[in-house]
Amino acid sequence: AQRVTQPEKLLSVFKGAPVELKCNYSYSGSPELFWYVQYSRQRLQLLLRHISRESIKGFTADLNKGETSFHLKKPFAQEEDSAMYYCAVFGNEKLTFGTGTRLTIIP
Amino acid sequence: EADIYQTPRYLVIGTGKKITLECSQTMGHDKMYWYQQDPGMELHLIHYSYGVNSTEKGDLSSESTVSRIRTEHFPLTLESARPSHTSQYLCASEGEGYSPLHFGNGTRLTVT
Repeated sequence: AQRVTQPEKLLSVFKGAPVELKCNYSYSGSPELFWYVQYSRQRLQLLLRHISRESIKGFTADLNKGETSFHLKKPFAQEEDSAMYYCAVFGNEKLTFGTGTRLTIIP
Repeated sequence: EADIYQTPRYLVIGTGKKITLECSQTMGHDKMYWYQQDPGMELHLIHYSYGVNSTEKGDLSSESTVSRIRTEHFPLTLESARPSHTSQYLCASEGEGYSPLHFGNGTRLTVT
């Protein structure tokens, strides 16, 4: 069965500093990986997926199959980035989420 | 407006009561899911459906049951609520292909 590990429950970063939210996965097949975000008082929503290779709100994530990682990065944090971030892997016809990282941007 | 709706938003109920959490979507999605999330923990898939009259249990064992009589409606029922059922329940739907999950606002259930 697939599994997602987000080692940091809480992460605080100063505004303007780089951000990296870590995600490691285990899945025997070819994985589809996602980052979902939940802003305060909003519902959970998709931030980005690895197959799109896109940058959303300045965030990027690169799939590293050798390290089985899909870390989320942004070079300069903004206050509006404060939110809960979940990494997820799609496999066996199901989406499995990690425990999430609460990112707080310090003004 | 095409969306996914969950009611109630909050529910406090006594032990032993029967409850139904409602989930409806107006996007015509075939795939629907129920996730359970305790504070600070990951989302656990408890039920999913790939269409009318199709329901499956997820990774986390749950005493709840679901039904899918209509495409747009995917209610979750607890026959006899217990304090261990206290949690947040999130409903989601998914379109075709590599579509993202669309989540509802969730129902926060407290069983006293």
